[in-house]
Parts: sequence; structure tokens; C-alpha cells
Amino acid sequence: DAKTTQPPSMDCAEGRAANLPCNHSTISGNEYVYWYRQIHSQGPQYIIHGLKNNETNEMASLIITEDRKSSTLILPHATLRDTAVYYCIVWDTGFQKLVFGTGTRLLVSP
Amino acid sequence: EPEVTQTPSHQVTQMGQEVILRCVPISNHLYFYWYRQILGQKVEFLVSFYNNEISEKSEIFDDQFSVERPDGSNFTLKIRSTKLEDSAMYFCASGSGLSMNEQFFGPGTRLTVL
Repeated sequence: DAKTTQPPSMDCAEGRAANLPCNHSTISGNEYVYWYRQIHSQGPQYIIHGLKNNETNEMASLIITEDRKSSTLILPHATLRDTAVYYCIVWDTGFQKLVFGTGTRLLVSP
Repeated sequence: EPEVTQTPSHQVTQMGQEVILRCVPISNHLYFYWYRQILGQKVEFLVSFYNNEISEKSEIFDDQFSVERPDGSNFTLKIRSTKLEDSAMYFCASGSGLSMNEQFFGPGTRLTVL
């Protein structure tokens, strides 16, 4: 089972920042936080990952709390094409599989 | 930009028939995966493959399923005798192993079992 809890849905206005929260209160020291998204029925797409420190790439920023029990994915300027289901995944380096939960369905509106 | 490709995009088959789903992973990747997603449900892990052998598999991946990398470029998933409940989107993914667990997914094959 997924080790994360996410709100089922969120709305965001185009051009505004989208902040997607994730709780992973049982995360252990060697587990990473990964974010993927799935646009409609396409294959999931990697966004970003982190262990302890905040991370930023061309797609998004990842803010991980100091106790690592929660994180927030930030899309700084959401566009209509960012409408998708966003999955927060806790990944153990001892395994290769990704365990997907139900994710957050983000709807970006004009 | 390199990408994972899958064929066919849609496969319709009769219950009890064998199907082979094909994937061409990104060329320098070493880790290969199959996932499936039944309509309206979660993406579920099936199997991972590395160094020409299965490295991990889920409970779903029973004796009806097999994987193969027949020629160094293709990666296939075979379902020996399909059941109605095998109807789903099947996603292939590959990873280099260099960037932790960043997996690149293909567009999927929609399998419909009648």
C-alpha cells in the first residue's frame, strides 16, 4: 500500500502557483519522496524527488519539512497543461517498484 | 528527446487467447518495468527486470505472465491465457539506474479482453 496521503482534488487558476501537499508520516531515513504526474490516460511522468533538502528543477519545486513527515510540490505558474493527477510516492532504495496511491487530481482553470 | 515506445496502442483479444505487448525502452537504460492500470484505478506495479532476469514482481504477476528481452532492444510482456480482468492499460517503463528511481514511462497499450 502507498505510504502517503494526498487530497483527492485541488483547483488552481492559470498563472497562479499550485501547492500540492503530501503527508508521509511513517517515512523512514532511507526513503525518498518522489513526485510523478499522469495527464489523462498517458504514462506517468517523473517530476522531481528529494530526500531531506528542498529541490528545484525546470518543472517544479519540492519542499520537505524538517521532520520529513510531509512535503509540498509547487508548480510556480500553473498552466492548463498542468491539469493532471499528481502522485506523491515514498520510495525505498531497497526496492525498484513505484507504489502509486490515488494521487491529487489538479484542475487548472483559465 | 529519447522516449519509451509501446506497440500496439490498443489490443483487443478474446478471453483465453495469448497476447504479447511490446515495448522499446530508452536505448542506454538497464532497468525495465511493467505496470498496469485498470480503468479508474491506481497504477499497479507488475514486474521489474534487470540483467536479463526478473528482479521483483508483484502478486498480480502470476504464472500467466512472462517477460522477455528477446533482442537487446525490445522488452515484451506476454499474457498466456487472457481473462476479462486483464483488461487494462499496460505501461512499460525504463530507467538508467543512475538517477535513483527516475522511471520513464511509455504511452501505454490498452488491452481489452472480450
